[in-house]
Amino acid sequence: GDSVTQMEGPVTLSEEAFLTINCTYTATGYPSLFWYVQYPGEGLQLLLKATKADDKGSNKGFEATYRKETTSFHLEKGSVQVSDSAVYFCALSDPHAGGTSYGKLTFGQGTILTVHP
Amino acid sequence: NAGVMQNPRHLVRRRGQEARLRCSPMKGHSHVYWYRQLPEEGLKFMVYLQKENIIDESGMPKERFSAEFPKEGPSILRIQQVVRGDSAAYFCASSPPSGVGYGYTFGSGTRLTVV
Repeated sequence: GDSVTQMEGPVTLSEEAFLTINCTYTATGYPSLFWYVQYPGEGLQLLLKATKADDKGSNKGFEATYRKETTSFHLEKGSVQVSDSAVYFCALSDPHAGGTSYGKLTFGQGTILTVHP
Repeated sequence: NAGVMQNPRHLVRRRGQEARLRCSPMKGHSHVYWYRQLPEEGLKFMVYLQKENIIDESGMPKERFSAEFPKEGPSILRIQQVVRGDSAAYFCASSPPSGVGYGYTFGSGTRLTVV
């Protein structure tokens, strides 16, 4: 079945440092890939997405490129801020797996990011 | 435009009691999804519902768990005879018929603690 593996955390950085959170996936079809962010006490918010190979999703300075050859979707940001401290989840949706899969997300385990001033 | 509303935010139940979690989707959304987040783990899909229909319940435990999305009112996730292992955060999401994408919106979750 489909699965998502994320870099284990927690990740602790100083403000303005470069961020990479690794994400790899396995899927039976051609999935869409997502990064979600969860701030303390809140629900998940979509950060960015990519729907096909070589697509780059970007938002709020974060970006990730859909790499089909390495089955990866690593999240990067050039200069993190304290306000980026949150839990980040990589996820996939595999509509080609058939049936109702277009409504279902498969998540990685999450990576806690803490940014210090 | 209110987002996905879940209540209660926190719920404490003793072992053997019933837990009822409610989810009101965003206005105009007809699809509801429930996920469970166990401590130190990612979210796991439980069930996908449309009004009055269960579309996919492949992630629901076979016993004690049920879900509904009636024609009127919120979606309900019901856990009967709760056990300690049911302690988790339960998230609801809603979407328009297009499914996953920028319209797919999560609620803030219900944190269930079984004592």
